[in-house]
Amino acid sequence: AQTVTQSQPEMSVQEAETVTLSCTYDTSESDYYLFWYKQPPSRQMILVIRQEAYKQQNATENRFSVNFQKAAKSFSLKISDSQLGDAAMYFCAYSILGPSGSRLTFGEGTQLTVNP
Amino acid sequence: KAGVTQTPRYLIKTRGQQVTLSCSPISGHRSVSWYQQTPGQGLQFLFEYFSETQRNKGNFPGRFSGRQFSNSRSEMNVSTLELGDSALYLCASSLGWDEQFFGPGTRLTVL
Repeated sequence: AQTVTQSQPEMSVQEAETVTLSCTYDTSESDYYLFWYKQPPSRQMILVIRQEAYKQQNATENRFSVNFQKAAKSFSLKISDSQLGDAAMYFCAYSILGPSGSRLTFGEGTQLTVNP
Repeated sequence: KAGVTQTPRYLIKTRGQQVTLSCSPISGHRSVSWYQQTPGQGLQFLFEYFSETQRNKGNFPGRFSGRQFSNSRSEMNVSTLELGDSALYLCASSLGWDEQFFGPGTRLTVL
């Protein structure tokens, strides 16, 4: 069974600074997808960034980037120039997308606090 | 394009009752997935429906069931409610082979 582990229950960062959230996963599949979702106090899950396992290049979305290490099964999220609006719970998630379905397996989450 | 909508947003039930939650996916999306979020267990997958057929199922008891209609709207039903069923229930829609977009959730409280 696939598992996703986030070892940092809480993290904090100063506004405008950079923070990295860690995630490791376990799978026997070779083709899969990894995601970072953000859940603010409103509880709305928002997709931050996605990474296809077959792509060697790390995904980036504006201030958000990932460090994907397939052999180590590691998938960290870097937030640059942190903003107050980045404060939220962040979830790392794994999925195999395709005709057989798109079930997401989530990590435990990391609560990010941004200090002004 | 309108996002995923879930109704009701909040619900209070008592033990032993049953409840039905509704989810309307993004227009054109044929897949609807349901997740349960609790402080103790985190986010857990319940089931996924695609074109009115259950395509995936998580490890939940048979009290949890769902269905999908021809317009892709989905409902999930929980019968004989237990205190432990109190949770945020999230619905997500997708084209069926791509990333999922989540609704705002339904907060269920079982007394």
